[in-house]
Amino acid sequence: QVQLQEAGPGLVKPSQTLSLTCTVSGNSITSGDYYWTWIRQLPGKGLEWIGCILSSGNTYYNPSLESRVTISLDTSKNHFSLRLTSVTAADTAVYYCARTYGGLDYWGRGTLVTVSS
Amino acid sequence: DIVMTQTPLFLPVTPGEPASMSCRSGQSLFHSDNKKTFLDWYLQKPGQSPQLLIHTLFYRASGVPDRFSGSGSGTNFTLKISRVEAEDFGLYYCMQRRVFPYTFGQGTKLEIK
Repeated sequence: QVQLQEAGPGLVKPSQTLSLTCTVSGNSITSGDYYWTWIRQLPGKGLEWIGCILSSGNTYYNPSLESRVTISLDTSKNHFSLRLTSVTAADTAVYYCARTYGGLDYWGRGTLVTVSS
Repeated sequence: DIVMTQTPLFLPVTPGEPASMSCRSGQSLFHSDNKKTFLDWYLQKPGQSPQLLIHTLFYRASGVPDRFSGSGSGTNFTLKISRVEAEDFGLYYCMQRRVFPYTFGQGTKLEIK
């Protein structure tokens, strides 16, 4: 059974860096043709695809966030990470990690990150 | 970016009755190399993560009941529920995986009539 779990601070100050990890169990992040993905949901709004990383390490980012986003793999811990720099209140959202394989087939429960001083 | 537009925004349905919702993309989601259409459907219930229902136009995800079906072509897509059950109420999203960045529709809320 594949499971994903997000972790990270729930509160980040404006202009600082948001950092989240997604720990994967039941699936090695280095195997297969999976895209390890980050999505966010702004309060009361719809879903926004942030970006993804392949097991090869190749990354794809949403152009709207590309200048501030980095997604990376940590194979020793079987997790992947999201870094979003220079955050503002507009980055307040529930952040989800997911596996993409024929759709976003496994999701984490999501973690609320609030940007506030 | 490919814009995804869902209609209607709200869909009141009586349990036991059928339901149908639409999704339109700003460009074709058909990939001529592999003959696949990269359109997925998700259901998000309150307080939960979205769950995959249909991927690649019409393939039901593991464990999804066969009352759910996806269809369409090119830029116009439909999700149908043959008989709505209580567990089906929530927010439905379509998403395109044809090109990066993946993009979602704004959602259709299936609500109890």
